[in-house]
Amino acid sequence: EVQLVESGGGLIQPGGSLRLSCAASGFTVSNNYVSWVRQAPGKGLEWVSIIYSGGSTYYADSVKGRFTISRDNSKNTLYLQMNSLRAEDTAVYYCRSWELLSGMDVWGQGTTVTVSS
Amino acid sequence: SYELTQPSSVSVSPGQTARITCSGDVLAKKYARWFQQKPGQAPVLVIYKDSERPSGIPERFSGSSSGTTVTLTISGAQVEDEADYYCYSATDNNWVFGGGTKLTVL
Repeated sequence: EVQLVESGGGLIQPGGSLRLSCAASGFTVSNNYVSWVRQAPGKGLEWVSIIYSGGSTYYADSVKGRFTISRDNSKNTLYLQMNSLRAEDTAVYYCRSWELLSGMDVWGQGTTVTVSS
Repeated sequence: SYELTQPSSVSVSPGQTARITCSGDVLAKKYARWFQQKPGQAPVLVIYKDSERPSGIPERFSGSSSGTTVTLTISGAQVEDEADYYCYSATDNNWVFGGGTKLTVL
């Protein structure tokens, strides 16, 4: 079964750091586009970051310089290192793996990050 | 950055046709996807490449494109189709979701 499982969310103080993980099964993440998407409480979806199959990475302006996306091919796992966290980073964070020209588009169940003192 | 613009809400009665639009300059050059999201659940892909339907998605879901606007059409909307719908596209490695449309079927 094709599946993504996120972990690592929690309550963190402003200015703190957190690393999210996303373990894939049933497919190889390095063959696809993989990205992080977040959803603040009661709000819409927001694209956060992407890593292409070739390894190039890109970020939304709102997180550029603070977040780092990476993957460990040996563990078939995607990561999001989040530094200098702000209250506005509070959201459910989803990892997603997809193919550009096909209907393959898998999402994890989401992990909640709360930035608050 | 750029934006994709959707209506905030659409309402239809069961069995009617629901149409949700998404507008943005990038859509004239790039494919769009549509996602359905129900409360407390992860999004689900319902349309890719403007008009292709993934396996397992009911035939009543269809997509079309014209210029800078893409449209998601639900023909004969069912109560279970009530959800938030988001369009999605990209330009220059900057990926963006539309603001989302709440579809009410009642």
